[in-house]
Amino acid sequence: DAKTTQPTSMDCAEGRAANLPCNHSTISGNEYVYWYRQIHSQGPQYIIHGLKNNETNEMASLIITEDRKSSTLILPHATLRDTAVYYCIVRVAYTDKLIFGTGTRLQVFP
Amino acid sequence: GAGVSQSPSNKVTEKGKDVELRCDPISGHTALYWYRQSLGQGLEFLIYFQGNSAPDKSGLPSDRFSAERTGGSVSTLTIQRTQQEDSAVYLCASSPYRGTPYEQYFGPGTRLTVT
Repeated sequence: DAKTTQPTSMDCAEGRAANLPCNHSTISGNEYVYWYRQIHSQGPQYIIHGLKNNETNEMASLIITEDRKSSTLILPHATLRDTAVYYCIVRVAYTDKLIFGTGTRLQVFP
Repeated sequence: GAGVSQSPSNKVTEKGKDVELRCDPISGHTALYWYRQSLGQGLEFLIYFQGNSAPDKSGLPSDRFSAERTGGSVSTLTIQRTQQEDSAVYLCASSPYRGTPYEQYFGPGTRLTVT
């Protein structure tokens, strides 16, 4: 199973872009990258996913490097409500399993 | 519409007792997942069900853990002879289909404390 590596924690000023990196150097060609977040005491919430191309939705943008060995989740204008643990996950090929790591704790400050 | 619901929200039990945790997925979702999250840790996959296929039990930590999904809807996770290391938040998720990328919708979890 492809593993992901994320920084343990990050800070971001409110209103600024939060850029959360993720390394997944052992990812295979048919494995998708997913991002979820978990706000304190709640279940995880889906943010975005991608395979090769960059993706954008109403919550965030996902930038995947050409070699697919790393990606960056971008929250364009972070708010205090974006304070959460962000998980970068590689979906195991040919299965429906998501293997969560320990994530990045993002603290947005005023 | 209604999201994934789990019951109870909190459960305190004595070591050695059996517990049952319930998950009601979103109506029409064919896939259902169980995870657990120990304090300060990430999510640990336990088991998942997809339609009528045999469940993937590869994440169950021991034979004390089992799960059922009746009628393709409600699921029950059973832990027999609970141990203190079983204390965690147990999360259930469901998703609408398999094979193409999808998102999992998580419930609020059941906090299990084994004393």
